[in-house]
Amino acid sequence: EDKVVQSPLSLVVHEGDTVTLNCSYEVTNFRSLLWYKQEKKAPTFLFMLTSSGIEKKSGRLSSILDKKELFSILNITATQTGDSAVYLCAIPRAGSYQLTFGKGTKLSVIP
Amino acid sequence: DVKVTQSSRYLVKRTGEKVFLECVQDMDHENMFWYRQDPGLGLRLIYFSYDVKMKEKGDIPEGYSVSREKKERFSLILESASTNQTSMYLCASTPWRDSNEKLFFGSGTQLSVL
Repeated sequence: EDKVVQSPLSLVVHEGDTVTLNCSYEVTNFRSLLWYKQEKKAPTFLFMLTSSGIEKKSGRLSSILDKKELFSILNITATQTGDSAVYLCAIPRAGSYQLTFGKGTKLSVIP
Repeated sequence: DVKVTQSSRYLVKRTGEKVFLECVQDMDHENMFWYRQDPGLGLRLIYFSYDVKMKEKGDIPEGYSVSREKKERFSLILESASTNQTSMYLCASTPWRDSNEKLFFGSGTQLSVL
């Protein structure tokens, strides 16, 4: 059975700090790993990492994939209060478009 | 931009009522999904559909059914609502394309069953 485990489950930091969120996974036939940000409502897509694209960056956010050790990290530098959200990691199931999600990391950035 | 619209943000129903949650997407996506999200449990897949009139059970289909009569619309039905179905319900869609697992989500419906 596919598995996605995120850590920590919650995190409180001060503005300006750098944070690292972790996602480990077990899946048959890895295709990709996705990161989403969820504020009060719809999860919004951040990154998709694949075998051919193991590092992604967008502004202060970056993510890497370690296919050998079966994990990914999401880094946020110079955090702002607007980064407060639940960050979700997900992997597609073999032969399917269904995503298996981790339970999420709740990040709180305080001024 | 892709838009996935869920008909209600908040819904309050009574135990035993039949409940319809509607989802419409405007990008001609083949695949549509219903998830529920509960604290400590994350997102769990209820049902999904790859095409009109097609449906497949997800991980937690008990107590739910779905309908997909048109490509753009995917409805989740609670035949007889129960208090343990109080949850946030999220609809999502994605096109049928290789290497495109990116889901587009609606804003969610927070359902309370009293």
